[in-house]
Amino acid sequence: QVQLQESGPGLVKPSGTLSLTCAVSGGSISSSDWWTWVRQPPGKGLEWIGEIHHSGTTNYNPSLRSRVTISVDKSKNQFSLKLSSVTAADTAVYYCARINWNYYDSTGYYDYWGQGSLVTVSS
Amino acid sequence: DIVLTQSPGTLSLSPGERATLSCRANHSVATIYFAWYQQKPGQAPRLLIYGASSRATGIPDRFSGSGSGTDFTLTISRLEPEDFAVYYCQLYGSSPLWTFGQGTKVEIK
Repeated sequence: QVQLQESGPGLVKPSGTLSLTCAVSGGSISSSDWWTWVRQPPGKGLEWIGEIHHSGTTNYNPSLRSRVTISVDKSKNQFSLKLSSVTAADTAVYYCARINWNYYDSTGYYDYWGQGSLVTVSS
Repeated sequence: DIVLTQSPGTLSLSPGERATLSCRANHSVATIYFAWYQQKPGQAPRLLIYGASSRATGIPDRFSGSGSGTDFTLTISRLEPEDFAVYYCQLYGSSPLWTFGQGTKVEIK
């Protein structure tokens, strides 16, 4: 059973950089192709941030692309999120998840999620 | 850009009733890339339906998904107490690459 665990500072100052790590256990990060970050502001809906292939290829939400970097560390079986120049609008619960691509029927979905990490942007 | 619009925003029903949730895309989409998630307070979303109509592992058969083109539906045939939650639709394949609807809250009447 794959498990994901987010970790990182819960408080970031405005204009700073938000950094989170998602540790993958119960399987190799290379055994699944793509991994993703999603965020959820308090009381609001889900927003896709970006995704990374275990080879390092990334795709980002155009609305965040200029500020986002997602990277993978296969030796530590984890992937990370950095979001720069944060403001109060970036306050949210940040989730990491596995993207399961079923190449038999071409379906794709998020089947394993971390429990979420609340990051507050405040001075 | 693709926009997914869920309706209603809130659905007030009693246990045992049937729930019908709608998700509409602003242009025709591929059903194989459409999914539904359930989220309870303080928890991560949980996959319910993928490929528009396939139930995920362990999901009870009271949950069913249907639709094609621009209109998709999640139906809960008989609401159980644990089904009161927020439900999100999701689509892959446009800009942004993954899009979520704004959610429908199913609350106890």
